[in-house]
Amino acid sequence: AQSVSQHNHHVILSEAASLELGCNYSYGGTVNLFWYVQYPGQHLQLLLKYFSGDPLVKGIKGFEAEFIKSKFSFNLRKPSVQWSDTAEYFCAVKSSNTGKLIFGQGTTLQVKP
Amino acid sequence: DTAVSQTPKYLVTQMGNDKSIKCEQNLGHDTMYWYKQDSKKFLKIMFSYNNKELIINETVPNRFSPKSPDKAHLNLHINSLELGDSAVYFCASSQGTGSSEQYFGPGTRLTVT
Repeated sequence: AQSVSQHNHHVILSEAASLELGCNYSYGGTVNLFWYVQYPGQHLQLLLKYFSGDPLVKGIKGFEAEFIKSKFSFNLRKPSVQWSDTAEYFCAVKSSNTGKLIFGQGTTLQVKP
Repeated sequence: DTAVSQTPKYLVTQMGNDKSIKCEQNLGHDTMYWYKQDSKKFLKIMFSYNNKELIINETVPNRFSPKSPDKAHLNLHINSLELGDSAVYFCASSQGTGSSEQYFGPGTRLTVT
């Protein structure tokens, strides 16, 4: 069965620190990969997505992610976080076969000013 | 100009009651979804409709019944509410079931007492 695993459940950083959130998935076929962010009390918003092509994708607010097919990974990065990046981050995988969007458990990011 | 809207935003009710949550999207999408986010923030798909036809039906108790009167609406009716139904329910929509991204509504926080 398809699954998505996010390694870090709770990350605490100081402003200007670099961020990397891990995401691994288990599925052998063609997948589309997403990172969503959920700010406190708000709905999910798309940060970035990978469908095909360049495995390094850039999203909004300075976020980027790299798809490494051999490692089944899609890690999220940001060189310098801000206090406003405090939120819940979800990695998600969609298989072209089932059409289902499978989410990871989420990572809570807390940025201290 | 809310793209995906849900009503109500908060719903507090007693065990055994029947309640409905409504969802509307004005994006012209043909596919709509319901997700459940539990207290640990884990998001799981419940249902998906494409052109008013049910295409994904996860292992959800049959007390939950989705209804899609047209492509722009997907309502969720829940019978005989239980304590374990307490969660945040998110509606989402997308164009097609393939690789397109999903747009999420603001969520409905359901509390069953």
